[in-house]
Amino acid sequence: DADVTQTPRNRITKTGKRIMLECSQTKGHDRMYWYRQDPGLGLRLIYYSFDVKDINKGEISDGYSVSRQAQAKFSLSLESAIPNQTALYFCATSDSRTGRGYTFGSGTRLTVV
Amino acid sequence: KQEVTQIPAALSVPEGENLVLNCSFTDSAIYNLQWFRQDPGKGLTSLLLIQSSQREQTSGRLNASLDKSSGRSTLYIAASQPGDSATYLCAVHSNSGYALNFGKGTSLLVTP
Repeated sequence: DADVTQTPRNRITKTGKRIMLECSQTKGHDRMYWYRQDPGLGLRLIYYSFDVKDINKGEISDGYSVSRQAQAKFSLSLESAIPNQTALYFCATSDSRTGRGYTFGSGTRLTVV
Repeated sequence: KQEVTQIPAALSVPEGENLVLNCSFTDSAIYNLQWFRQDPGKGLTSLLLIQSSQREQTSGRLNASLDKSSGRSTLYIAASQPGDSATYLCAVHSNSGYALNFGKGTSLLVTP
């Protein structure tokens, strides 16, 4: 089983719909992140959470919200999807105690039509 | 804000060649630097992690170096193979930052 699991793997949704992307981890890491990847723009940080009660906006948080339901679960919501939110979304984790780098999930490819 | 630049953006080499991918960053106060591999439409696989106190890390045919003072890292791939074809991403965790800052990647094609 993957250390960082994202669901769904692929999703097509219509403009205006609410959608949730989910992430769960078995690494035991305290920190979790959501990134999006767009061609030519690289990976950009949407939100990050250093523990269950600590959630922070990244550089491109507009139009998104998150929930850290438990240390192992971090979900990303698009309240009203729009076409320019079409992208590849990645969840990542890290451990503040060890500093041993980040682990990424396999990604969710989201298409908003 | 930490800016991370990767050069070249794309590279095509024949099988067997040794090659170097470059990464530069603007703020030398870093916690660590991580190199990732990404296959088309897939997730990120961590290749090497270099802590700020280290000069290099090696894994198999891969060697990554770090020069904090000049804001540079290189990823050296020895004896390249077609299976090495992928996009390679450099990511920096700054002391003042809260997450990784990524370069836009180098797309590598190794031809048989």
